[in-house]
Amino acid sequence: AQSVTQLDSQVPVFEEAPVELRCNYSSSVSVYLFWYVQYPNQGLQLLLKYLSGSTLVKGINGFEAEFNKSQTSFHLRKPSVHISDTAEYFCAVTLNQAGTALIFGKGTTLSVSS
Amino acid sequence: DGGITQSPKYLFRKEGQNVTLSCEQNLNHDAMYWYRQDPGQGLRLIYYSQIVNDFQKGDIAEGYSVSREKKESFPLTVTSAQKNPTAFYLCASSLGGGGIDTQYFGPGTRLTVL
Repeated sequence: AQSVTQLDSQVPVFEEAPVELRCNYSSSVSVYLFWYVQYPNQGLQLLLKYLSGSTLVKGINGFEAEFNKSQTSFHLRKPSVHISDTAEYFCAVTLNQAGTALIFGKGTTLSVSS
Repeated sequence: DGGITQSPKYLFRKEGQNVTLSCEQNLNHDAMYWYRQDPGQGLRLIYYSQIVNDFQKGDIAEGYSVSREKKESFPLTVTSAQKNPTAFYLCASSLGGGGIDTQYFGPGTRLTVL
């Protein structure tokens, strides 16, 4: 069975500082990996996804993530955050087969202050 | 505009009542999903459907029921058997049911039991 662990439940940072949100997964087979963002009282929006190919994935709003198969990690990074990046971020994993749904981590709350 | 709509945005239920949450999509997606979100718990899968007139239980299906009579609609009923239904409910859809297809989320329904 697959599982996802987001290592930090809360990450406070100052505006314009770099940030890394950590995600580790467990699976015995190949997986697809996703990062979603959720603003308060809203649905989830896809930031980026890794399906195959280059291990460095670029997404929206200046975010990027790197797939590391040996460390089973998919950490999310941004070189300089803005107040508007304050939100909850979810890492998710799924398999390449029909009938599978996303398995989510418990989320990381990013709080950006001035 | 294509997207996923959920209604109502807020829903209040008395103990012992059944309530139905609406989810509609005009993306022509085959697969649809229902997730439950609790603070600090991430998202957990309730039910999913890959095709009309077919659906499968997720991790926490007890106390919930669904139907998929039309491609664009996937309503969720929270029954009186669900002992702790207060939560944020998110509907999603994807082009197909395989993991490679991105899931798109609706804005959510917040259910509160009085």
